[in-house]
Amino acid sequence: DIVMTQSPDSLAVSLGERATINCKSSQSILYSSSNKNTLAWYQQKPGQPPKVLIYWASTRESGVPDRFSGSGSGTDFTLTISSLQAEDVAVYYCQQYYTIPLTFGGGTKVEIK
Amino acid sequence: EVQLVESGGGLVQPGGSLRLSCAASGFTFSSYFMHWVRQVPGKGLVWVSRINSDGTGTTYADSVKGRFTISRDNAKNTLYLQMNSLRAEDTAVYYCATYGLGSPCWGQGTLVTVSS
Repeated sequence: DIVMTQSPDSLAVSLGERATINCKSSQSILYSSSNKNTLAWYQQKPGQPPKVLIYWASTRESGVPDRFSGSGSGTDFTLTISSLQAEDVAVYYCQQYYTIPLTFGGGTKVEIK
Repeated sequence: EVQLVESGGGLVQPGGSLRLSCAASGFTFSSYFMHWVRQVPGKGLVWVSRINSDGTGTTYADSVKGRFTISRDNAKNTLYLQMNSLRAEDTAVYYCATYGLGSPCWGQGTLVTVSS
């Protein structure tokens, strides 16, 4: 199984400041046929399902604010919130969809400092 | 609009059975692999099972193998998860999802509670 390791477990950031979450996969999740990384980022607020923010490691889902961005390739990935807003308080997960079993990072709780 | 809507969750006793459904709309359901993912309240996300587009190929997590059965009815645009011999540790929100449309697509989930 591909292990997804997320860091940090929690993060407190001041409003308007940058938040950075890291995700590392135990093996490459680059799909050679398409040259795309099969990595998604989700945001989950209490009582809600996960919401897709980013897929193919760096493609923003329609309707997601542009303060959210994804980067990285191969085994190392990053989700950046460029200017944290109050509504961004949530748990964030990375996930690989390169192979079965689909696997997820343990989550990063983002709070306001 | 692409949409997945789960149903069928509820309270069931240990050892009991439940069948979850996931109704798909807005895309050609019969063309895509489908998955079930679950989440224990307050915990992380765990993949449960996958089925191929015509229903002839299935894969399961070890924790549910032999107890859960994934299936689909492409004529009804519906995915199923038959859950037998339920245990307390199967208590979770169950989501259906697909990854073939470009961006991942998830439903809103249905809560299964296994308790006496």
